[in-house]
Amino acid sequence: GENVEQHPSTLSVQEGDSAVIKCTYSDSASNYFPWYKQELGKRPQLIIDIRSNVGEKKDQRIAVTLNKTAKHFSLHITETQPEDSAVYFCAAPGSSNTGKLIFGQGTTLQVKP
Amino acid sequence: DAGVIQSPRHEVTEMGQEVTLRCKPISGHNSLFWYRQTMMRGLELLIYFNNNVPIDDSGMPEDRFSAKMPNASFSTLKIQPSEPRDSAVYFCASSLETGGNTIYFGEGSWLTVV
Repeated sequence: GENVEQHPSTLSVQEGDSAVIKCTYSDSASNYFPWYKQELGKRPQLIIDIRSNVGEKKDQRIAVTLNKTAKHFSLHITETQPEDSAVYFCAAPGSSNTGKLIFGQGTTLQVKP
Repeated sequence: DAGVIQSPRHEVTEMGQEVTLRCKPISGHNSLFWYRQTMMRGLELLIYFNNNVPIDDSGMPEDRFSAKMPNASFSTLKIQPSEPRDSAVYFCASSLETGGNTIYFGEGSWLTVV
């Protein structure tokens, strides 16, 4: 079936600390794993993605790791800043890698100054 | 490019009324998605189209919901009759290809049914 589990649902860190959000997926054929950031009252926007042919991807303070064997992937934010506070969603393709994305439940990240 | 364009941005309607949400995908994108976001259920995929053809509508809640895509640059999501539990943010999104390409969201239509 199609299922994406995301943890934790809420995360509070001090400014400058790291934050890690984890997701698991069910379809072993999935090959694309994006992460979206949604600020209050705004639309979800892509911040980073990874494809199944690599294990890690970095973009400045954010990185994503993928473990295909365990079927999980994680978002890592280092040196967090108050403007990182938002809801973060992971996603994975639906069955058979069709065009649709199934989203996790979301993680509300609060970065305390 | 102007991105995915949705209208209306906000709508308040009375229970029983018909609601029509509109979407213009990014030019050249051939996949279009309708998502619904609520606090309780998160981001749910309602339906998606590829090359104007509905591919998967398994997320459409019930017969009160219908969606159309008459051409590559326009889609509608209709709720008739509307109910208070339909209150949510409805996002339209589009992507260039199926299977592992980034989807881009519109600003959303904030629907309140009273």
